[in-house]
Amino acid sequence: NFMLTQPHSVSESPGKTVTISCTRSSGSIASTYVQWYQQRPGSSPTTVIYDDNQRPSGVPDRFSGSIDSSSNSASLTISGLKTEDEADYYCQSYDSNNRVFGGGTKLTVL
Amino acid sequence: EVQLVQSGAEVKKPGESLKISCKGSGHSFTSYWIGWVRQMPGKGLEWMGSIYPGDSDTRYSPSFQGQVTISADKSITTAYLQWSSLKASDTAMYYCARSLGQLLSNFDYWGQGTLVTVSS
Repeated sequence: NFMLTQPHSVSESPGKTVTISCTRSSGSIASTYVQWYQQRPGSSPTTVIYDDNQRPSGVPDRFSGSIDSSSNSASLTISGLKTEDEADYYCQSYDSNNRVFGGGTKLTVL
Repeated sequence: EVQLVQSGAEVKKPGESLKISCKGSGHSFTSYWIGWVRQMPGKGLEWMGSIYPGDSDTRYSPSFQGQVTISADKSITTAYLQWSSLKASDTAMYYCARSLGQLLSNFDYWGQGTLVTVSS
């Protein structure tokens, strides 16, 4: 089994850009897709990025995903931050028999 | 419109049994996996397992194998998560979610969550 490690929290000002990392402990980050979910307080999670870098319809292009094999990590980048982006963000990937979520990152937009 | 509608909040005592449900509509229920995800109070998301209602193929996270049972009734497009003997540590929000693949694809639709509280 492997773990996905995310920063506990990040904060940035409206209009700025923030990047949330997700580092895989073992196995290649590039070998399996990474998904990113947004969870606002009191709500169910929703997908903001799927299959490493794909955006579902309805998710603004301010959200982007990428993979860096050299650091064995995935990243979620949100540009032009808005107060509505304040939420918890979770990365998720898998191996042969398990879906694994990162611990989540609390994004504060202030 | 794809919807996953979960059963209501439950308050139970330790040792009691429980079965919560997730009713799907607006899509071919037998062509997608339904997964269950636990979120303990103030904590992150944990995948518990998934079922393919088309043939009832069920896979469990190693962390939850033997702790819960996942089932589905395709005739009423409903998936279930059940416990035979609840513990206080089962107190959590439980979400069902749909995915095209068992592990490969994202959870594209989620239920509203069922809050389970286990307390003596």
